Amino acid sequence: EPEVTQTPSHQVTQMGQEVILRCVPISNHLYFYWYRQILGQKVEFLVSFYNNEISEKSEIFDDRFSVERPDGSNFTLKIRSTKLEDSAMYFCASTNRWSADTQYFGPGTRLTVL
Amino acid sequence: KQEVTQIPAALSVPEGENLVLNCSFTDSAIYNLQWFRQDPGKGLTSLLLIQSSQREQTSGRLNASLDKSSGRSTLYIAASQPGDSATYLCAVRRDNAGNMLTFGGGTRLMVKP
Repeated sequence: EPEVTQTPSHQVTQMGQEVILRCVPISNHLYFYWYRQILGQKVEFLVSFYNNEISEKSEIFDDRFSVERPDGSNFTLKIRSTKLEDSAMYFCASTNRWSADTQYFGPGTRLTVL
Repeated sequence: KQEVTQIPAALSVPEGENLVLNCSFTDSAIYNLQWFRQDPGKGLTSLLLIQSSQREQTSGRLNASLDKSSGRSTLYIAASQPGDSATYLCAVRRDNAGNMLTFGGGTRLMVKP
């Protein structure tokens, strides 16, 4: 069964550094998302992406964050000037139709900012 | 702003019991509702998706119902097993608000052998 994959599973970085989290969505999907979950808190929406542009973003997704689909398979989340409060599990998700369909989530990348 | 609440936050039951997990949302203008399972330190596994026009969906021992007008959904798990132990999350997608999901805080379920 097709699945969303994410790398790395765990990323440790120093405050102020840049990180790139990588995702490979399900191959025939057209809509891509990033969510995050701070330990012990709710899963929160960050950004949605379609047709090579951002469709929607939350207030969490400030100008330190960016997303890109550099080729036909990868979808990346870049965080510049990382802060301690960026420490969280970051989930990538994809779906093949606008709104109506199931969002499929990857296993997550645990980001630890020291 | 949509708020999603799940009660109880934690639940412990003996194996074999039937159980109900609750999800409520403040804005009834939803497009659909999705139930997920999350194992510790893992990703989210989609269990069921209910469109706003539907009343319920079933998959194996799981049955999810939706009462959109009252802002509630329930996940019924029949004949619970230790392998059902996990956190169960519900999430709603709003009309005319893109396709972002708004999540509840989850119910942590422990099924004891």
